[in-house]
Amino acid sequence: AQSVTQLGSHVSVSEGALVLLRCNYSSSVPPYLFWYVQYPNQGLQLLLKYTSAATLVKGINGFEAEFKKSETSFHLTKPSAHMSDAAEYFCAVSDEGNQFYFGTGTSLTVIP
Amino acid sequence: EAGVAQSPRYKIIEKRQSVAFWCNPISGHATLYWYQQILGQGPKLLIQFQNNGVVDDSQLPKDRFSAERLKGVDSTLKIQPAKLEDSAVYLCASSFISPEAFFGQGTRLTVV
Repeated sequence: AQSVTQLGSHVSVSEGALVLLRCNYSSSVPPYLFWYVQYPNQGLQLLLKYTSAATLVKGINGFEAEFKKSETSFHLTKPSAHMSDAAEYFCAVSDEGNQFYFGTGTSLTVIP
Repeated sequence: EAGVAQSPRYKIIEKRQSVAFWCNPISGHATLYWYQQILGQGPKLLIQFQNNGVVDDSQLPKDRFSAERLKGVDSTLKIQPAKLEDSAVYLCASSFISPEAFFGQGTRLTVV
């Protein structure tokens, strides 16, 4: 069965600093991997997805993630944090059956 | 393109009452999901439909939860009777061929 582990339920960074949110996956088959963002009282918005093409995936709002099979990781990064990046971030894995399994989320706080 | 529509956005009910949520997926999306997101946790799949057939309902508490997707389009999720632990955000999502889910804004249920 597929699963994801997000290390760090809360991450704080200063405005302009590097954002690094960690995600490790467990999958018995080559997975599809996703990062979603959730703002307060909103649904989930797709940031980026990995579907077995390029291992470095670029998403919206300056975010990117790198698929590392040897480390079973799919960490999310952004070179320079902005106040508007403060939100909850979820890593998810999907198998070929289109079933999605979400991590427990990481709350990102951006300090002015 | 219109997104996934959900209603109501908020609902407060007393325990043992019943409640229903409605979802209208993106036009043409055959797969529809209902997720439960308890505060501080990642979304948990309740049920997955492919057109109007159920693909997975293994985590749906069938003694109190029911869902249907008539004609393979709109879907309703019902809880009867509600318990305090059902307080959560209920997210509807839909997908087409690619393994990417598009989420609605969710319905926040509070059971008092």
